[in-house]
Amino acid sequence: GAGVSQTPSNKVTEKGKYVELRCDPISGHTALYWYRQSLGQGPEFLIYFQGTGAADDSGLPNDRFFAVRPEGSVSTLKIQRTERGDSAVYLCASSLSLPNEQFFGPGTRLTVL
Amino acid sequence: DAKTTQPPSMDCAEGRAANLPCNHSTISGNEYVYWYRQIHSQGPQYIIHGLKNNETNEMASLIITEDRKSSTLILPHATLRDTAVYYCIVESVGGSNYKLTFGKGTLLTVNP
Repeated sequence: GAGVSQTPSNKVTEKGKYVELRCDPISGHTALYWYRQSLGQGPEFLIYFQGTGAADDSGLPNDRFFAVRPEGSVSTLKIQRTERGDSAVYLCASSLSLPNEQFFGPGTRLTVL
Repeated sequence: DAKTTQPPSMDCAEGRAANLPCNHSTISGNEYVYWYRQIHSQGPQYIIHGLKNNETNEMASLIITEDRKSSTLILPHATLRDTAVYYCIVESVGGSNYKLTFGKGTLLTVNP
């Protein structure tokens, strides 16, 4: 079946601009996660949704970052006033019953010039 | 902070077994050992997990020492497509825990 998909695969923007990154989880997966991966590092947790609500957003680096999942399926990660330090690969994952058996998408590579 | 220690890199000859070690000396009784891998330019992929018994699936085997302070992931017949960064992760399951804490992993290079 279809896996987790993320769009766009690449996004180049200028410092100060607003960006939205989209994640389509595996159908039926109630849990959805966002991670960020900088070059040479492992993925770093950002936020977790159970259904429509953000159960834990403690990993979001600051208030420029926000994520929504209005219908409990697709999620959008929103970044305002982007900075060069936001450049990274943003990964989305979803899971069904076991919270730690997560299925990852291919990621969106964000480059802030 | 990651609760595991892994060598930064390893090499393996194609067709041979790849044995990837992981130290998790502070593991607690309710924590599982998970292994994920990440092939270049892809998202991480789940491989296997275990609590205290050895586990095997179609991808790999997981050997956990009796004191649970270390484990080894075994790829029995490594292929070039197994070249990836392998992450060993220790996490409890269920309740309020849901996030994976990744370290830097081990870059396994399978050579022809």
